[in-house]
Amino acid sequence: AQTVTQSQPEMSVQEAETVTLSCTYDTSENNYYLFWYKQPPSRQMILVIRQEAYKQQNATENRFSVNFQKAAKSFSLKISDSQLGDTAMYFCAFMNNNNDMRFGAGTRLTVKP
Amino acid sequence: SQTIHQWPATLVQPVGSPLSLECTVEGTSNPNLYWYRQAAGRGLQLLFYSVGIGQISSEVPQNLSASRPQDRQFILSSKKLLLSDSGFYLCAWNLQVNYGYTFGSGTRLTVV
Repeated sequence: AQTVTQSQPEMSVQEAETVTLSCTYDTSENNYYLFWYKQPPSRQMILVIRQEAYKQQNATENRFSVNFQKAAKSFSLKISDSQLGDTAMYFCAFMNNNNDMRFGAGTRLTVKP
Repeated sequence: SQTIHQWPATLVQPVGSPLSLECTVEGTSNPNLYWYRQAAGRGLQLLFYSVGIGQISSEVPQNLSASRPQDRQFILSSKKLLLSDSGFYLCAWNLQVNYGYTFGSGTRLTVV
């Protein structure tokens, strides 16, 4: 079974600085998909970024980018120019070709003014 | 465009009372549907998923059940709520694997 590990329960960053959230996963499959979701205080789950395992190029969405290391089974999220609105829980997720998605335990990020 | 509606947003129910949470998806056909529960400050636990009308798969045996009476309607139910059923319940849908899930706004359930 696939597992997703987020080793940082909480992190903080100063506004305008850069922060990286870690995620590792365990799978024996070769083709799969990885996601980062943001859950602000409203608790709405919002898709931040996604990565397809067969693509070597790291995904980027504005200030959000990932560092995907397939051999190491690592999928970290980098947030540049952090904003107060980035304060949220961030969940890393793994999905296989059977549409089965597994989430990590989450990292609570606080952006300080 | 596709939208997902989940209601109610907040619910306070006494122990032993029944429960019915509803989720509806608009703008698509034959979506895969999911119910998740999130305890306070914790991760997401998959409760049920459905790939079609009347097709329900349960991840965790418990006090809850799910039904899919229509293509785009997914209902989470309980006959008798327990204190441990308190939590934040999220409905989600998707069509294709590589697009991940789209979530509803959630229901905060407090059993008292």
